[in-house]
Amino acid sequence: EDKVVQSPLSLVVHEGDTVTLNCSYEVTNFRSLLWYKQEKKAPTFLFMLTSSGIEKKSGRLSSILDKKELFSILNITATQTGDSAIYLCAVDSNYQLIWGAGTKLIIKP
Amino acid sequence: DADVTQTPRNRITKTGKRIMLECSQTKGHDRMYWYRQDPGLGLRLIYYSFDVKDINKGEISDGYSVSRQAQAKFSLSLESAIPNQTALYFCATSDWADSVQETQYFGPGTRLLVL
Repeated sequence: EDKVVQSPLSLVVHEGDTVTLNCSYEVTNFRSLLWYKQEKKAPTFLFMLTSSGIEKKSGRLSSILDKKELFSILNITATQTGDSAIYLCAVDSNYQLIWGAGTKLIIKP
Repeated sequence: DADVTQTPRNRITKTGKRIMLECSQTKGHDRMYWYRQDPGLGLRLIYYSFDVKDINKGEISDGYSVSRQAQAKFSLSLESAIPNQTALYFCATSDWADSVQETQYFGPGTRLLVL
């Protein structure tokens, strides 16, 4: 059975800290791994990763994939209160997205 | 205007009632999806459709049905609502032509409460 596991489930840090969110997966036919950010409304796309070792960056956010060890990490440096959200990881397996439960990140001022 | 819209945005109903949630998109995407989201469980796929003539069950289709009226419209029905169907429901779309990627674009969600 395909599954995606995110850790930690929740995390509270102070503004300015760096955080690392984890996503591990076991799927039958890996095509890509995606990260989404969900604030109060719908998830919004952050990154798509298909190849191991190639870092994707967008401002203070970055992500990398390890297809040998079957995991990805999402890093956020110099966190701000606006980074508070649920971060969702999903893996495209056979053209369906398998979703993790999400990591709830709270940034305290 | 939003690319993916859902109606209603909030709904309260009683056990046993039939309700319909509607989704429309202006992105021109072939693929459409219905998910529910419950705290601590992430997103779970209910049904998906790769084109107007293609409907597929997802992980948790029991108690739900769908209709793909047109490329742009995908409706979710709860035939006889029950309290454990209380959840946040999302519609999403993606582009078949984008063969490598499965980036999905989400509607704003419908918050459903079944009493």
